[in-house]
Amino acid sequence: AQRVTQPEKLLSVFKGAPVELKCNYSYSGSPELFWYVQYSRQRLQLLLRHISRESIKGFTADLNKGETSFHLKKPFAQEEDSAMYYCALAPTGGGNKLTFGTGTQLKVEL
Amino acid sequence: EAGVVQSPRYKIIEKKQPVAFWCNPISGHNTLYWYLQNLGQGPELLIRYENEEAVDDSQLPKDRFSAERLKGVDSTLKIQPAELGDSAVYLCASSSSGGTIYFGEGSWLTVV
Repeated sequence: AQRVTQPEKLLSVFKGAPVELKCNYSYSGSPELFWYVQYSRQRLQLLLRHISRESIKGFTADLNKGETSFHLKKPFAQEEDSAMYYCALAPTGGGNKLTFGTGTQLKVEL
Repeated sequence: EAGVVQSPRYKIIEKKQPVAFWCNPISGHNTLYWYLQNLGQGPELLIRYENEEAVDDSQLPKDRFSAERLKGVDSTLKIQPAELGDSAVYLCASSSSGGTIYFGEGSWLTVV
């Protein structure tokens, strides 16, 4: 069975501080990993996916198969980064079947 | 381009009453999903359609939940009868084959 764990329900940082949202997963094969974000009063939307190896809005995430982690990082937090972040996993070649974590609320304080 | 459209956005019903949610996916997206999101949890897949065929409905509680996508475009999710524990957000999403999944704004259900 596949599982995604986000250990922090709430993460509070000051503007300009580094951010790391943790995500660990359990899956027997090689998964596809995603980060989704939900800003206040907006719909859930894709932030980034590991196969793209891209930086979106200054965020990056590296898949660490040894530690089964896919932590989301940003060197300098901005106020507009405050949102709910969900890590999600899909089976290999099964990008359509997502399993989500419980989410981490990021609050960037001035 | 319009995103995934859901209605109603909010619904309050008494327990044992029926309720239905409607979803219009992004034009051209053949894959449609219904997710359930309980308070403080991430979304959980209820059912996935490829065109008009339900290809994954293993998580759909079939005793009271039903869904249809008759013409492979719009979809309806129904609960009958509703229970207190069904209070949640029902998310519809769509994608092209293997493409990015786009979510609607959700239908917030409160059962009293």
